[in-house]
Amino acid sequence: AQSVTQPDIHITVSEGASLELRCNYSYGATPYLFWYVQSPGQGLQLLLKYFSGDTLVQGIKGFEAEFKRSQSSFNLRKPSVHWSDAAEYFCAVGTGGSQGNLIFGKGTKLSVKP
Amino acid sequence: GAGVSQTPSNKVTEKGKYVELRCDPISGHTALYWYRQSLGQGPEFLIYFQGTGAADDSGLPNDRFFAVRPEGSVSTLKIQRTERGDSAVYLCASSPDSNSLNEQFFGPGTRLTVL
Repeated sequence: AQSVTQPDIHITVSEGASLELRCNYSYGATPYLFWYVQSPGQGLQLLLKYFSGDTLVQGIKGFEAEFKRSQSSFNLRKPSVHWSDAAEYFCAVGTGGSQGNLIFGKGTKLSVKP
Repeated sequence: GAGVSQTPSNKVTEKGKYVELRCDPISGHTALYWYRQSLGQGPEFLIYFQGTGAADDSGLPNDRFFAVRPEGSVSTLKIQRTERGDSAVYLCASSPDSNSLNEQFFGPGTRLTVL
């Protein structure tokens, strides 16, 4: 069965520091991978997605993620974190084809120190 | 344009009662998804519609949960004989169609509390 693991429940970084949020997935075929962000009182917003091709994908708000098949990982990165990036981040895998439901990880809460 | 809206934003009910949660998708989106997010967890898939029909309801936890989308637009998630374990945020998302390549646009959710 498909699954997503986000090993870090909570991460704190200083403003201006770099960020990497980890995501590992379990899926038999080539997965469709997503990162969503959830701010308090807001709906989930898509940051970026990977389907095929270039394994380094760029997203909104300066985020990027790299798909590594050998490690079954899809880690999210940002070179310089802003205070407004404080939120909860969810990695998700889509089963592909015409069935679009997503399987989410448990999320990583990001806090940003001034 | 308008995004996905969900009403009510908060619902408090007593154990054993019936509740309905409403989702208004983005106009023209044919795919609609319901997820449930418990405290400290990621969203968990419940059911999705392509048009009026439920294409996959494998995530519904039991027969107390039911959802409809009679005209292919607004959807209602119905929970009978609510239990305390049903307390969660119920999220709705819509997409142009159910193809996995399409982004799902999420609403702000309905927070259900069962006392």
